[in-house]
Amino acid sequence: GAGVSQSPSNKVTEKGKDVELRCDPISGHTALYWYRQSLGQGLEFLIYFQGNSAPDKSGLPSDRFSAERTGGSVSTLTIQRTQQEDSAVYLCASSLGGGGSEQFFGPGTRLTVL
Amino acid sequence: QKEVEQNSGPLSVPEGAIASLNCTYSDRGSQSFFWYRQYSGKSPELIMFIYSNGDKEDGRFTAQLNKASQYVSLLIRDSQPSDSATYLCAVRVLSGGYNKLIFGAGTRLAVHP
Repeated sequence: GAGVSQSPSNKVTEKGKDVELRCDPISGHTALYWYRQSLGQGLEFLIYFQGNSAPDKSGLPSDRFSAERTGGSVSTLTIQRTQQEDSAVYLCASSLGGGGSEQFFGPGTRLTVL
Repeated sequence: QKEVEQNSGPLSVPEGAIASLNCTYSDRGSQSFFWYRQYSGKSPELIMFIYSNGDKEDGRFTAQLNKASQYVSLLIRDSQPSDSATYLCAVRVLSGGYNKLIFGAGTRLAVHP
């Protein structure tokens, strides 16, 4: 596709359930990033992929959060045993070069944990 | 000290005025700087980047970079209500052996008719 796509656009889940969020980057972009943005707040960095490897996982808030990227393309962010404080918009971005290149953002997934 | 700092605002300007958005950064070795615009409920979109000291103009937008003083600014001339959004400054830094973008928390701009 022409831009970064994310699915689902909205996800409502119950506390304690696991969720998977998907990101499909711009074709040819080698770098992929996940961010979290709570209402009215700035971007919180979660994880960065270069190809299939993740040189920087420093932003993952707890071991309930994990992410993978296969084939150097699609990435999945998994949140296990969701908590209400996980409610936020999860944004994915990709860039042509490595970290530090201009990033292009997807539309985000709004996660609500009841 | 945060790596990238912005005044959260809101910055309120009348339609037709110049809006000036400022950003300071702590890593003196930073080389690349980006401005993103984020409308409420939408994702950030890149509007400008600047690498060299001085001014860079693109339509009504001008980015200004002063590496010695470690600040980058965005000027919006002839501000329109449609410019009302949050503006995020991002700075490229070298961390852990690779480059990454660090985002500021954003400045909310309100342009009133």
